[in-house]
Amino acid sequence: GEDVEQSLFLSVREGDSSVINCTYTDSSSTYLYWYKQEPGAGLQLLTYIFSNMDMKQDQRLTVLLNKKDKHLSLRIADTQTGDSAIYFCAESIGNAGKSTFGDGTTLTVKP
Amino acid sequence: ETGVTQSPTHLIKTRGQQVTLRCSSQSGHNTVSWYQQALGQGPQFIFQYYREEENGRGNFPPRFSGLQFPNYSSELNVNALELDDSALYLCASSSRDSYNSPLHFGNGTRLTVT
Repeated sequence: GEDVEQSLFLSVREGDSSVINCTYTDSSSTYLYWYKQEPGAGLQLLTYIFSNMDMKQDQRLTVLLNKKDKHLSLRIADTQTGDSAIYFCAESIGNAGKSTFGDGTTLTVKP
Repeated sequence: ETGVTQSPTHLIKTRGQQVTLRCSSQSGHNTVSWYQQALGQGPQFIFQYYREEENGRGNFPPRFSGLQFPNYSSELNVNALELDDSALYLCASSSRDSYNSPLHFGNGTRLTVT
């Protein structure tokens, strides 16, 4: 079945770039997503990429997709303390409501 | 535009009891998905409802059931609660009218089974 793997923790200094990595197994995945979850809240969609794209940039966020290796990354430029949260990678086959999620990467930003 | 709202925010139940969780979809959304998020894990897909019918189900037993109403609000029912059902239950709405409409999540209901 589908599986999505992420490293559990990442710690960076304020102002540095953060790179969060994700691997997935389902070659049928058509959309890949990055969500952010802050304490006591639901998930907020940050960005997503269609599987026929290699890269997508949205302000401070850059998503890179290596479809051959089934590897997805999220780069956050100029990381701020407000970026501290859990980041989830997810994939779907066209229906976002039936997404498969990783277990999340906890990003800690130190001043 | 109102977002996705869930009630209650917290709930404590005893093993063997039944529980109903409620969700009000974002305005204009006709599809609702329910997810279970255990502590320290990512959300797991329970099922999706579209036009008041179940439209796909994850690896959850039949004691997890749902309803979607004509106004697109939704309920998640869990019978015969087990300790492992303790989790954050997330509702997310989207629109089937546009392909790959993004999910909008509520803040969840924290269920504790003792």
